[in-house]
Amino acid sequence: EVQLVQSGPEVKKSGESLKISCKASGYTFTSNWIAWVRQMPGKGLEWMATIYPGDSDTKYSPSFQGQVTISADKSISTAYLQWRSLKATDTAMYYCARLDSRGFQYWGQGTLVAVSS
Amino acid sequence: SNGVTQPPSVSVSPGQTASIPCSGDTLENTNACWFQQKPGQSPVMVIYQNNRRPSGIPERFSGSKSGNTATLTISGTQAIDEAAYYCQTWGSNTDVVFGGGTKLTVL
Repeated sequence: EVQLVQSGPEVKKSGESLKISCKASGYTFTSNWIAWVRQMPGKGLEWMATIYPGDSDTKYSPSFQGQVTISADKSISTAYLQWRSLKATDTAMYYCARLDSRGFQYWGQGTLVAVSS
Repeated sequence: SNGVTQPPSVSVSPGQTASIPCSGDTLENTNACWFQQKPGQSPVMVIYQNNRRPSGIPERFSGSKSGNTATLTISGTQAIDEAAYYCQTWGSNTDVVFGGGTKLTVL
C-alpha cells in the first residue's frame, strides 16, 4: 500500500529556517516524481515544486523558485521541503503528493506550518 | 496562458446534478484531473485523464473535456459530496496547474 507520511506541525518565528519531510513507503521511491503543494488558510491548492528522487531532477513553480528548496534522500525514501528564512506569509498547510500515470493519486496527510512575526 | 479558471461556488439540491467547469487554454492539449477536498482533509482524486474514475470513487462522479473546458459532473448529488473541488492540469514546461477551486454547497 502506497503511503506518504509527513512530519508534524511546526511553530516558528520569522527569519528561522525549517525543513519538513515526506516519507514514502509501499513502492519504489526512485520511480515516481514527488510534489509539494501549499494551501494557505482558507485558500486553494498551489503547486510549489517537484522532484524525481531517481536522479534528483527538480522543477519549481516560478512563484516559489528561490523561496524554497526541494530535495530527496533515496536511502530513507524521504522527500523534503526547506526554507532558509521563513516569513509570516509562509503560514500554511503543506502537502506532498506522488505523481504516477494517473496523476497525483496519493497525498500525504499535510504538515501545518505556523510562522509568527 | 497556463492558468485555469473555476467558478468560486456552485449550489445544488440533493438528488440533482452538479456541474463544475474548468477552463483554460492549456486544456486544449492536456488532460484534466479533479480532486475533492473536505475541511481538514487531504485532497482526494475523483477523476483522472479527463473522464476516468479511480477505484473506490462512486459512479455518480464523472468527467468530460471539450476544447479548453473540462467539466466535473456529480449526478444524484448527496450531502456528503459537499466539499471544495479542484481541477488540475499541466502547463508549459510540464508545470503543475491547479484551478482556484469550487465550493460545492448541497442545499
